[in-house]
Amino acid sequence: NAGVTQTPKFRILKIGQSMTLQCAQDMNHNYMYWYRQDPGMGLKLIYYSVGAGITDKGEVPNGYNVSRSTTEDFPLRLELAAPSQTSVYFCASSYPDYVGVQFFGPGTRLTVL
Amino acid sequence: TQLLEQSPQFLSIQEGENLTVYCNSSSVFSSLQWYRQEPGEGPVLLVTVVTGGEVKKLKRLTFQFGDARKDSSLHITAAQPGDTGLYLCAGAKYGGSQGNLIFGKGTKLSVKP
Repeated sequence: NAGVTQTPKFRILKIGQSMTLQCAQDMNHNYMYWYRQDPGMGLKLIYYSVGAGITDKGEVPNGYNVSRSTTEDFPLRLELAAPSQTSVYFCASSYPDYVGVQFFGPGTRLTVL
Repeated sequence: TQLLEQSPQFLSIQEGENLTVYCNSSSVFSSLQWYRQEPGEGPVLLVTVVTGGEVKKLKRLTFQFGDARKDSSLHITAAQPGDTGLYLCAGAKYGGSQGNLIFGKGTKLSVKP
């Protein structure tokens, strides 16, 4: 199993550009998540999904959109990139149990100039 | 509101020393997890504790969940340079969105040879 995969690994955007961060998992997990990690700030939840066709906002959803058309894929869309979105983005997935162990992808480092 | 406080934020020690990292909250958690993150990679699960007072050992790492399920500690015996990384605690809240975790800001550990 590849686990959770993310593409691209690195990206530089200009202010106002758009892009989609890709995330896929092959563990048949129902739950998927997008986080951003800023230095010294831990992980902040952007959006999450409990299954195909169902998404919900996390702590910091502004400026982002998501979709979940399949169990495997959970892309994150940035429509109008801003410097405040410079961060490392992690996708994760988990089983729908009360323990909530999450499996993380390798991350995408995004810089907006 | 930061629901999980980790301390210390930074720790730099010599190889062979012992250390303890703390994760504290005023909230009760159904489970608590510890992750380790190395530079350029996503967090990787070390352990999950579920029962109040539970102690788990993973080689030189000892994890404890507080009796009241509000806090946890990670103790490393005879630290090695390979232990260097960011240690994150994460709690699953009772009554929270199922599968969602609350992450601490992390403890950045550096073990020098």
